[in-house]
Amino acid sequence: GAGVSQSPSNKVTEKGKDVELRCDPISGHTALYWYRQSLGQGLEFLIYFQGNSAPDKSGLPSDRFSAERTGGSVSTLTIQRTQQEDSAVYLCASSLASGGGGNYGYTFGSGTRLTVV
Amino acid sequence: AQKITQTQPGMFVQEKEAVTLDCTYDTSDPSYGLFWYKQPSSGEMIFLIYQGSYDQQNATEGRYSLNFQKARKSANLVISASQLGDSAMYFCAMRELIRTGANSKLTFGKGITLSVRP
Repeated sequence: GAGVSQSPSNKVTEKGKDVELRCDPISGHTALYWYRQSLGQGLEFLIYFQGNSAPDKSGLPSDRFSAERTGGSVSTLTIQRTQQEDSAVYLCASSLASGGGGNYGYTFGSGTRLTVV
Repeated sequence: AQKITQTQPGMFVQEKEAVTLDCTYDTSDPSYGLFWYKQPSSGEMIFLIYQGSYDQQNATEGRYSLNFQKARKSANLVISASQLGDSAMYFCAMRELIRTGANSKLTFGKGITLSVRP
């Protein structure tokens, strides 16, 4: 597609349930990133994919969080046993390359607003 | 470790005037890239401008320019001729460029809220 697509756009879930958030990056973008933005806060890095591998998972806040990417394209962020503090906007971004210089800025999706009640 | 600092409180500017949004950074990597993003109330993140650490000139993109002072480790965004549509949250971000993989993530500051008054 023309942009980064995230689904669902909004998700309300009960505490303790599992949720899956999907990101479909721009075609040809090899790098994919997940961030979390709590209300009125900056962006917190979660995980980075280069192709299907995740060289940097350092931002995942707990083992309840996991992510995978298949076919070098779509990525799914899974949160198990959701807690109220997981409520946030989850943003996905993709870029052409990682590191190596140059203006490899991100293209962001519109985000998934997750509310845990 | 990377660190981006944006400490200004909410900023206000009169329409058609210029405004400077501050950003300081800290990195041990000699090669890095600095980015500014705009986030309107709709929530989308919009890329504005990029500055490489070895770029000789300050970056400019239309009404946006970056006042890059390497020795002071600052990368302030200047918006000229402010418009009502510039009201948004603005984020400064940095990426270390020498290393790939794990170090290619962007680290973001906490953002600055800009309000443009008519």
